[in-house]
Amino acid sequence: GQSLEQPSEVTAVEGAIVQINCTYQTSGFYGLSWYQQHDGGAPTFLSYNALDGLEETGRFSSFLSRSDSYGYLLLQELQMKDSASYFCAFSGSARQLTFGSGTQLTVLP
Amino acid sequence: GAVVSQHPSRVICKSGTSVKIECRSLDFQATTMFWYRQFPKQSLMLMATSNEGSKATYEQGVEKDKFLINHASLTLSTLTVTSAHPEDSSFYICSATVAGGPGETQYFGPGTRLLVL
Repeated sequence: GQSLEQPSEVTAVEGAIVQINCTYQTSGFYGLSWYQQHDGGAPTFLSYNALDGLEETGRFSSFLSRSDSYGYLLLQELQMKDSASYFCAFSGSARQLTFGSGTQLTVLP
Repeated sequence: GAVVSQHPSRVICKSGTSVKIECRSLDFQATTMFWYRQFPKQSLMLMATSNEGSKATYEQGVEKDKFLINHASLTLSTLTVTSAHPEDSSFYICSATVAGGPGETQYFGPGTRLLVL
C-alpha cells in the first residue's frame, strides 16, 4: 500500500529551528513535496525533492533519502506566521499527490 | 506566478440539491487538474484527476456518478456534487499543474467550503 507518516504536532519558540520528519511507503515514487496550509486556507507549495540530498529555499530546507524512504522539512528562524499545518506528499506517475496526515506546528512567542 | 481560482468560495445548500464548483487556471494552461477533499483537521484526499478533453480518473471509493467532473478547456475544470447530502459537507480544493512545467509543483485554488443542510 501507500502511506506517509509524520508527527501530528510540533511546538517550538520564535527564532528556533524545527525539523518535521516524514517516512513513506509506496511502490512508485517520483518525489517528495512539502506544503504549508494555514487554517481555512489552501495548501501552498514549499519544496520538492526528487533526488537524495538537501534543497534549500530561504528559511526552509527539505531533505530526502530514497534508500531510507525518509525525508524532512527544516524550518529555521521560526516566526509566528509559520504556525500552520505542514504536509509531506509524494507524487505518482500521473503527478497526483498523496498527502501525509499533516503536522500542526505551533510557534510560541 | 501561476494562479488558480475557485468559485464559489463558500456554498450552503439543501440536501438533495446539486452544487457546481469551478476551478480555473488564470494565467497558464493546465492540462491536468486535480480535485481533493479535506474534512476538518484531516489531510487532503485526492478524489479524481481531470485531463482536458478526456474522462476523469477517479480514486477508489469516489463515486463518479455523484461527483461529476468536466474539464472542458485547458483553463477550466468543474466538479458537480449531485444530490448532495450532509456527509458531503467538506472543503473541496482543486489544483493544477503547469503544462510543460515542472510536474512536481501543483498550484492550489483557494478551496470551496460546502455545507449541506
